[in-house]
Amino acid sequence: SQQGEEDPQALSIQEGENATMNCSYKTSINNLQWYRQNSGRGLVHLILIRSNEREKHSGRLRVTLDTSKKSSSLLITASRAADTASYFCATDHNAGNMLTFGGGTRLMVKP
Amino acid sequence: DAGVIQSPRHEVTEMGQEVTLRCKPISGHDYLFWYRQTMMRGLELLIYFNNNVPIDDSGMPEDRFSAKMPNASFSTLKIQPSEPRDSAVYFCASKASGATQYFGPGTRLLVL
Repeated sequence: SQQGEEDPQALSIQEGENATMNCSYKTSINNLQWYRQNSGRGLVHLILIRSNEREKHSGRLRVTLDTSKKSSSLLITASRAADTASYFCATDHNAGNMLTFGGGTRLMVKP
Repeated sequence: DAGVIQSPRHEVTEMGQEVTLRCKPISGHDYLFWYRQTMMRGLELLIYFNNNVPIDDSGMPEDRFSAKMPNASFSTLKIQPSEPRDSAVYFCASKASGATQYFGPGTRLLVL
């Protein structure tokens, strides 16, 4: 069963706008990871945030984690058409050996 | 590095036929994972190996599915006999001791 649930399921924005995706999970985690999947391709790791971290940045990506609410958010700033993809959160309960993926958010960035 | 390699990229077969999916992990990675992705169920972990040994196969749907890893550079996922509900994209991923998994491009399977 899926551990993480993303919200929204789909998001359409204009280039230059910010995109925010949320992820909720049910049980305690070691870390939470975000992956991107372009259409017809495999998943690509974006960023990892550990359970004792609250915020992390990587380029135009900002991830927050609230373990009390069992939720995380991924913010993509100044979006580009190339950011169009599906974004998945994955929860790690066992030192990265088993990831449980959410249903994903389909992001479309219009030029 | 070529990344995780999967073959075939596309497979169309008829119900009842045997299907074998192949994966070559990234050299030096000692973990290998098989996932299945469908619209209805999302991305599901089927089985994973550590140092060629199956560690957790609780996600394998049923006895029709089997996976092997005869050596550090090769793994197979076999479905025998295949059924239409097995139609999905099957991903292989590998990792070293860290947390990040590296995914292959997937095999798109259609069982008619």
